[in-house]
Amino acid sequence: GDSVTQMEGPVTLSEEAFLTINCTYTATGYPSLFWYVQYPGEGLQLLLKATKADDKGSNKGFEATYRKETTSFHLEKGSVQVSDSAVYFCALSTTGRRALTFGSGTRLQVQP
Amino acid sequence: GAGVSQSPSNKVTEKGKDVELRCDPISGHTALYWYRQSLGQGLEFLIYFQGNSAPDKSGLPSDRFSAERTGGSVSTLTIQRTQQEDSAVYLCASSVAAQETQYFGPGTRLLVL
Repeated sequence: GDSVTQMEGPVTLSEEAFLTINCTYTATGYPSLFWYVQYPGEGLQLLLKATKADDKGSNKGFEATYRKETTSFHLEKGSVQVSDSAVYFCALSTTGRRALTFGSGTRLQVQP
Repeated sequence: GAGVSQSPSNKVTEKGKDVELRCDPISGHTALYWYRQSLGQGLEFLIYFQGNSAPDKSGLPSDRFSAERTGGSVSTLTIQRTQQEDSAVYLCASSVAAQETQYFGPGTRLLVL
C-alpha cells in the first residue's frame, strides 16, 4: 500500500539556519504530494503541494520539489524563524485512494 | 470565509459510552474526510464521503465506528461502546472535489476514561 516516510524529529535549529526535512514515498500510480503544518494549539494547514513530477511547491519561503526518480518531496527553507516552530507532515493522495496518507510528522523547534 | 468547523472541541466520556462527533464542512465542498490523530498511530484515515457515492469506509478500525453525511453537508462520526484506545483527536477535512486540497477543521479531542 501507499506509505510516506519522514525523518525523525525533533529538529532543533537556530534562527536563520537552513532547514531540510526529508520525505520519501511509496505509491501506486502518480500521487499528488503535500506538506501540511500544525502550529502549537492549532489545526492542520496546507503549506504547499505538487501534483506532478518536477513540480515545485512553494509558500512562506518553504519549497519542495516532486522528484519521481527518487520518490522524494523534501521540504526546505533557506532561513528559518522562531515562528516556524511547528510539526510538519508530508502526505500523498492518489486517484485510487483520495484520502491523504501521512508521514509520522517532524517537530521543528527554532531557537532565537 | 468560514472554514471547517467541528463540535464539540473536547469530549470526555466513560468507557462503554457512545459518542457523536460533528463536522460542518466548507459550503460547497463535495468531499468530506475523517481522520484520527493519536500519539501511537499518527494521522490515520477513517472514512471518506464524495457526493452521493458510497462512502469509502476502509479506514474504520472496527465496527464500533460509523459515520453518516446528511444532505451532502454535515457529517457525524459515531463511536459506540468507547474504549480507552479510542482516545485521540478526531479531525474532519473537506475539499471542493476529490483529489483537491483538503482543508482541516480544528478537531475534537476525545478522552475515554
